[in-house]
Amino acid sequence: DQQVKQNSPSLSVQEGRISILNCDYTNSMFDYFLWYKKYPAEGPTFLISISSIKDKNEDGRFTVFLNKSAKHLSLHIVPSQPGDSAVYFCAASSVGSQGNLIFGKGTKLSVKP
Amino acid sequence: EAGVVQSPRYKIIEKKQPVAFWCNPISGHNTLYWYLQNLGQGPELLIRYENEEAVDDSQLPKDRFSAERLKGVDSTLKIQPAELGDSAVYLCASSSGTGELFFGEGSRLTVL
Repeated sequence: DQQVKQNSPSLSVQEGRISILNCDYTNSMFDYFLWYKKYPAEGPTFLISISSIKDKNEDGRFTVFLNKSAKHLSLHIVPSQPGDSAVYFCAASSVGSQGNLIFGKGTKLSVKP
Repeated sequence: EAGVVQSPRYKIIEKKQPVAFWCNPISGHNTLYWYLQNLGQGPELLIRYENEEAVDDSQLPKDRFSAERLKGVDSTLKIQPAELGDSAVYLCASSSGTGELFFGEGSRLTVL
């Protein structure tokens, strides 16, 4: 039973437009959420995170929104650039898990010039 | 600052052979993780260390997998004997306790 779900395996966006990647979770104990970016043949790299006490966190072109009542979070990339093409993983943890991250299956983003 | 270092990057072995992966975490990071990533899936936790103690190994298949972190720094993950289904990428990560994990580049295992 997947606790973190990324229902879109892929997303294609035009350069300069907004990319929106979605993530749903089922465990109400999750209180910390992260997005990781992964290029082929590399390990995942941390992108942005959000605590459950917030509903928005912004870092440059990247913004993460959290809707606790819907158990949903999204990552917005504005404007999208070709270098953003990668697989994006949503991950979650809870206080009791001592930092163990539960990952979704990932969404492959392609930004076309 | 050096990142998480893993070796080997790639390993091809025949089934029933043993294999070992090595990880050196970021200096000062007390928490070390081994994750398994199958094709098309997200990483899944195998084992977590706090210093030299394995505090969560509930997902480690202990019949064939073993891990150690003897001095609380670098770590080794071993599979003996390997099976076809073990073909995957083995990721090591470390953390200073901030909630953010830093991953190495991974070790890709192919079992023939």
